[in-house]
Amino acid sequence: DQQVKQNSPSLSVQEGRISILNCDYTNSMFDYFLWYKKYPAEGPTFLISISSIKDKNEDGRFTVFLNKSAKHLSLHIVPSQPGDSAVYFCAASLDYQAGTALIFGKGTTLSVSS
Amino acid sequence: NAGVTQTPKFQVLKTGQSMTLQCAQDMNHNSMYWYRQDPGMGLRLIYYSASEGTTDKGEVPNGYNVSRLNKREFSLRLESAAPSQTSVYFCASSEVNSFNYGYTFGSGTRLTVV
Repeated sequence: DQQVKQNSPSLSVQEGRISILNCDYTNSMFDYFLWYKKYPAEGPTFLISISSIKDKNEDGRFTVFLNKSAKHLSLHIVPSQPGDSAVYFCAASLDYQAGTALIFGKGTTLSVSS
Repeated sequence: NAGVTQTPKFQVLKTGQSMTLQCAQDMNHNSMYWYRQDPGMGLRLIYYSASEGTTDKGEVPNGYNVSRLNKREFSLRLESAAPSQTSVYFCASSEVNSFNYGYTFGSGTRLTVV
């Protein structure tokens, strides 16, 4: 059973507008959440993360929100740029301090048009 | 500043052949991972090594073996390749004491089994 779910395979947004990518999880024991960005023919790159003890983390144009009661997190990109067009993966960790492996969602392909 | 290096980048195997995918990191990270990416399936963990001398199975370990040769190198072996192992393979490393706990991924090995 999938523990990390990204239910929207794709999202299209105009340049300058907000992009909101969503992620749901089923395991309440996850203690750390991350977002990765992937361009074709490249490996994923780390974008932003949030600890389960926080509800928001911001880094420039990227903000991640965590709603533990709903087991939901979202990535906001404001303003969106054409270079943001990529596949975005949500990931979660069961034991951050122990270095346990991340569990990834299936990804959402973001297309930003100019 | 190489980060994570994977070799080869491309490989075509016949069913039943064996091969080893190589991965090396130069960031002195303790933990290393092997994932596979298939269309519509996201990134699925094959094996990981939380520290030198330890390895653990992930979500999809069948048909694979791994060796943590030293702190830098983590190899993935296919003993008898099958068409179902056609995929893009990513190696990653991480340091649990890193604030952001971000993995660094290699650029991937695209494997086709015919």
